[in-house]
Amino acid sequence: DQQVKQNSPSLSVQEGRISILNCDYTNSMFDYFLWYKKYPAEGPTFLISISSIKDKNEDGRFTVFLNKSAKHLSLHIVPSQPGDSAVYFCAAENQGGKLIFGQGTELSVKP
Amino acid sequence: EAGVAQSPRYKIIEKRQSVAFWCNPISGHATLYWYQQILGQGPKLLIQFQNNGVVDDSQLPKDRFSAERLKGVDSTLKIQPAKLEDSAVYLCASSLAQDRGTPYEQYFGPGTRLTVT
Repeated sequence: DQQVKQNSPSLSVQEGRISILNCDYTNSMFDYFLWYKKYPAEGPTFLISISSIKDKNEDGRFTVFLNKSAKHLSLHIVPSQPGDSAVYFCAAENQGGKLIFGQGTELSVKP
Repeated sequence: EAGVAQSPRYKIIEKRQSVAFWCNPISGHATLYWYQQILGQGPKLLIQFQNNGVVDDSQLPKDRFSAERLKGVDSTLKIQPAKLEDSAVYLCASSLAQDRGTPYEQYFGPGTRLTVT
């Protein structure tokens, strides 16, 4: 049972444009949603999070939007830079601090 | 501050052999996690420790996997005997034991890539 889904395995964007990465979830009981970024041969690193009681959180070029009625969240990166090229994981956190990850979306930002 | 350390970085073994992975979390982090990441999938939690105690091991295949966290610091994850489907990256992460109201931000190590032939 895949509770967190990222349906796009890859995304290619031109430098300077907006990157939008999407994530769907099935369980309404999650407390937080987090985005992690992963470069090859490294562990995931935390990027940005949002509480389940909020609908938007912004940090510099990164904004996460949460649509609770649709059980959907998205990560916007504006403007996209070549250094943003990585695999992005969406994760949902329950009350015990357990993270459930999506399958990941590989973002490629072309110069 | 130093990050989460893991060793070895790579390991190749034959099926039915045993293997052990080591993790040293960030100093002061009470919570330690082991994840399995199969190629093309997201990390899947195997076990979560809070200091010395196990908080969640519901997805740990206990017939072949074991983990311990001695003195609430370092941890080892063992597989015995290994199967072909155990080929994956094994990630260790740690976090502070935080109050509710903030997410449990987890810091990941670089992982150990295991290949079972």
